[in-house]
Amino acid sequence: GAGVSQSPSNKVTEKGKDVELRCDPISGHTALYWYRQSLGQGLEFLIYFQGNSAPDKSGLPSDRFSAERTGGSVSTLTIQRTQQEDSAVYLCASSSVSGYSNEQFFGPGTRLTVL
Amino acid sequence: GQQVMQIPQYQHVQEGEDFTTYCNSSTTLSNIQWYKQRPGGHPVFLIQLVKSGEVKKQKRLTFQFGEAKKNSSLHITATQTTDVGTYFCAGDTNTGGFKTIFGAGTRLFVKA
Repeated sequence: GAGVSQSPSNKVTEKGKDVELRCDPISGHTALYWYRQSLGQGLEFLIYFQGNSAPDKSGLPSDRFSAERTGGSVSTLTIQRTQQEDSAVYLCASSSVSGYSNEQFFGPGTRLTVL
Repeated sequence: GQQVMQIPQYQHVQEGEDFTTYCNSSTTLSNIQWYKQRPGGHPVFLIQLVKSGEVKKQKRLTFQFGEAKKNSSLHITATQTTDVGTYFCAGDTNTGGFKTIFGAGTRLFVKA
């Protein structure tokens, strides 16, 4: 079956521009996470959606970052007025949050480069 | 806030040597997960431990979950070059809904 997909795979933008990154989770997965990973670094939690609950936005680094999840499925991460320090790989993961396994399935990521 | 600490940050080993990475949480976890990220790839789930004191094995990999459910370890016996990558632990908390907290990862380098 289809896994988590993300688009675009690569995005190069100029400083100050807005970007939108898309995540299509595995069908039926109620939990969706966004992470940011700089080169050679760990996973920086950004935001977490779980079902119809209010999202946990505690990881968003600034008010330039926002995310939404429509219909409990597709999610979009928006970065406004991009800065060079926003350059990183943005990973999306989804999980079924079942009674036993909370395994997260990661997408391939979007590599964002801000010039 | 809740944290999951992972050590070491890096480990260089000679092929055939053993390797261990440790994970410690500031709070009790409902479960612990381990992921592997190959260079240039994305994290891939390896295993989940749920029970206090649980030990699971996958070929040369041994995973342990501490009695207090606050720490965990991953041990690789006789490393191979295919083991190269970053190993992340991730703990689930169940305060206000499930939320997984990742450790910073241990990057393993294996020299042939």
